[in-house]
Amino acid sequence: GQQVQQSPASLVLQEGENAELQCNFSSTATQLQWFYQSPGGSLVSLLSNPSGTKHTGRLTSTTVTKERRSSLHISSSQTTDSGTYLCAIDDAYKVIFGKGTHLHVLP
Amino acid sequence: NAGVIQTPRHKVTGKGQEATLWCEPISGHSAVFWYRQTIVQGLEFLTYFRNQAPIDDSGMPKERFSAQMPNQSHSTLKIQSTQPQDSAVYLCASSFGNQDTQYFGPGTRLLVL
Repeated sequence: GQQVQQSPASLVLQEGENAELQCNFSSTATQLQWFYQSPGGSLVSLLSNPSGTKHTGRLTSTTVTKERRSSLHISSSQTTDSGTYLCAIDDAYKVIFGKGTHLHVLP
Repeated sequence: NAGVIQTPRHKVTGKGQEATLWCEPISGHSAVFWYRQTIVQGLEFLTYFRNQAPIDDSGMPKERFSAQMPNQSHSTLKIQSTQPQDSAVYLCASSFGNQDTQYFGPGTRLLVL
């Protein structure tokens, strides 16, 4: 079945620095999403980006479908960005998640 | 729109007890999904309903776990004879159709002592 690998597993930044998160998946996906999970556990969809580049606010996602990889760039990180970032792809109706990148932004 | 509602948010049970977790999907959504999240395994698919009918329960442990959707406004996940390894966050999601964006609830954090 589908597998999703994320790197790095954890990342510590100073406020204001940029973050680059990577996602690799095992076979072609028709849907790729980036989720944010707060320390309290709520899961929020940030971006849906099966191919190409998408921007929203300080987030930029680039997905290269042929190479089965996606990245999430967070510019000018803030302490409120701390949490877990999950990459997820579809497998028919199921969502297959990576194990996430735990981001900690220091003031 | 209140989003997907899950209750309780936290549950502590003793080993061998039963736990029932509740999910209220977003009104109008026909697909409901259950996932489990642990530190070791990450987020894993458990089961899926469409128009209240069970479609895929391939992620459900074969014993002790069951899920129902008796009406369009709620689904339950029941764990009989809970074991410490069942401790996890259980997430419910709903979507308009089975291929549409899934919206997740806040999860139920289950701790089995």
